[in-house]
Amino acid sequence: AQTVTQSQPEMSVQEAETVTLSCTYDTSESNYYLFWYKQPPSRQMILVIRQEAYKQQNATENRFSVNFQKAAKSFSLKISDSQLGDTAMYFCAFMREEGAQKLVFGQGTRLTINP
Amino acid sequence: DAGVIQSPRHEVTEMGQEVTLRCKPISGHNSLFWYRQTMMRGLELLIYFNNNVPIDDSGMPEDRFSAKMPNASFSTLKIQPSEPRDSAVYFCASSFGDASRETQYFGPGTRLLVL
Repeated sequence: AQTVTQSQPEMSVQEAETVTLSCTYDTSESNYYLFWYKQPPSRQMILVIRQEAYKQQNATENRFSVNFQKAAKSFSLKISDSQLGDTAMYFCAFMREEGAQKLVFGQGTRLTINP
Repeated sequence: DAGVIQSPRHEVTEMGQEVTLRCKPISGHNSLFWYRQTMMRGLELLIYFNNNVPIDDSGMPEDRFSAKMPNASFSTLKIQPSEPRDSAVYFCASSFGDASRETQYFGPGTRLLVL
């Protein structure tokens, strides 16, 4: 079974700083998808970024980018020029290419951006 | 565009009562997912439908839980009888496609408290 591990339960940075959230996963498959979701205090789950394992290029979305290291099974999220609105829980998630269309989530990292 | 709609947003009930959670997926999406979020177990998939047909219900905790999708625009998750350990946030998500592994978009969640 696939597992997703986020080793940082909490992180805190100052506004405008850059912060990197870590995620590792375990799978024997070669094709899969990885996601970062954000959950602000409203509890809404919001997609931040998505990466297909077959793509070598790291995904980027404005201030958000990933460092995808397939061999190391690592998928970190970098937030540049952090803003107060980035304060939230961040979840890393894995989905297989074949079989059940199921997201497997990590335990989350609580990120606080301080003014 | 309207996102995934869930109702109610909050539900407080007493142990033994029947609880029904409702979800309207994004128009045009043909896959629908029910997730549960608790402090102890994090986010976990309960069941998902594709084209109104249940595909994987291996995450449904026990017979007290049931889910239906009578048409493409409506799904329910029912708990009967409810127990205090069912207290959680229940999310509905939808996506378009099956093999294409399209991104899942989440609703705002229903926070359930069973006393």
